[in-house]
Amino acid sequence: AQKVTQAQTEISVVEKEDVTLDCVYETRDTTYYLFWYKQPPSGELVFLIRRNSFDEQNEISGRYSWNFQKSTSSFNFTITASQVVDSAVYFCALSEAATGTASKLTFGTGTRLQVTL
Amino acid sequence: GAGVSQSPSNKVTEKGKDVELRCDPISGHTALYWYRQRLGQGLEFLIYFQGNSAPDKSGLPSDRFSAERTGESVSTLTIQRTQQEDSAVYLCASSSKTSGGAEETQYFGPGTRLLVL
Repeated sequence: AQKVTQAQTEISVVEKEDVTLDCVYETRDTTYYLFWYKQPPSGELVFLIRRNSFDEQNEISGRYSWNFQKSTSSFNFTITASQVVDSAVYFCALSEAATGTASKLTFGTGTRLQVTL
Repeated sequence: GAGVSQSPSNKVTEKGKDVELRCDPISGHTALYWYRQRLGQGLEFLIYFQGNSAPDKSGLPSDRFSAERTGESVSTLTIQRTQQEDSAVYLCASSSKTSGGAEETQYFGPGTRLLVL
């Protein structure tokens, strides 16, 4: 069975600080996808990134960066120079990558990030 | 283009009543998913559709829950004889497939907040 663990329930930082959100996953699949979604106070889930299990390259997109390490089954997310607008709940998710079928997402319990002035 | 839409955005009902929640996926997306998010928790998978068929109903919590999809488009999630524990946000997501058959990223609607009194 698949499992995603986000051990950090809530993080508070002051604006401009860097913050890393941890995600550890478990799966018996050899091919899978990892995701990060953001859920702002409005409630809608916003897709941030998708990573294939074969692609361990780290990625940077503006102030966001992701560190995928298969050896430790982790897919951590770093926000550099955080801003108040980054305040949200962030979810890490996992899906198998079987072709020909749709794949449900297994979500972690989320990390609530609060960025204050 | 338009994203995933859901209606109603909020629903308050009395225990024992039936409710219907609607999801309009992104046009052309073949896969459609329903998830439930209880207050302060992560998302739990309920059911998915590939076209109009539902290969995986494993997440439906009881036989009071059912869903259908018609025309490879709109889907309806029905909860019969609602209970207070059904109170949650019900989120719908849709995705397409690559030419190789792999599934693309799931995009979520704004959700329906259900409150059972």
